[in-house]
Amino acid sequence: GAVVSQHPSWVICKSGTSVKIECRSLDFQATTMFWYRQFPKQSLMLMATSNEGSKATYEQGVEKDKFLINHASLTLSTLTVTSAHPEDSSFYICSARDQTGRRYEQYFGPGTRLTVT
Amino acid sequence: SQKIEQNSEALNIQEGKTATLTCNYTNYSPAYLQWYRQDPGRGPVFLLLIRENEKEKRKERLKVTFDTTLKQSLFHITASQPADSATYLCALDADSNSGYALNFGKGTSLLVTP
Repeated sequence: GAVVSQHPSWVICKSGTSVKIECRSLDFQATTMFWYRQFPKQSLMLMATSNEGSKATYEQGVEKDKFLINHASLTLSTLTVTSAHPEDSSFYICSARDQTGRRYEQYFGPGTRLTVT
Repeated sequence: SQKIEQNSEALNIQEGKTATLTCNYTNYSPAYLQWYRQDPGRGPVFLLLIRENEKEKRKERLKVTFDTTLKQSLFHITASQPADSATYLCALDADSNSGYALNFGKGTSLLVTP
């Protein structure tokens, strides 16, 4: 089946630094990838939609200058959390749509746990 | 605004029994509804999708019903096993410019005890 990987699986960084999270579709091409954030005991919240070769679309309330998204190829999207603060500590999950599959088929990565100290 | 509600209380059942989880939604007219399983510290794993014109869908020990009049989906796990213990998420397509993104409920935690 389709596999999506994320790297790193967890990261601890100091307040004020930037962190980059990678999302890769391993065995399919994804023109569209989604980034979600999940706080403890909360639902996954959509942050942005990443489109290959174009600018990301951000959900209301998500700062595009803080959460930089780059979808450089059909198999890789990156999320950079810039000038991270403790309140950015969360579980970040990406998903990818197989461009050859049916519209509803999305595959999720294993998530990245970010802790900002 | 759009809302997806799932039982926030954990569901504890005995092995072998049927677990039933509920998903209610408001301000949606979904073409389909999805159920995912999420284990602690992991991303969601797709389980089942049911379309608006389908009343029921089955996959092995899983069964999903979809009542668009009640705006409700029920998710059943028959002959439950301790390995079924996880959080189960209900998801609908998001009403955003993103296209095909998903909105999730908070999930219901299921614990199956031997």
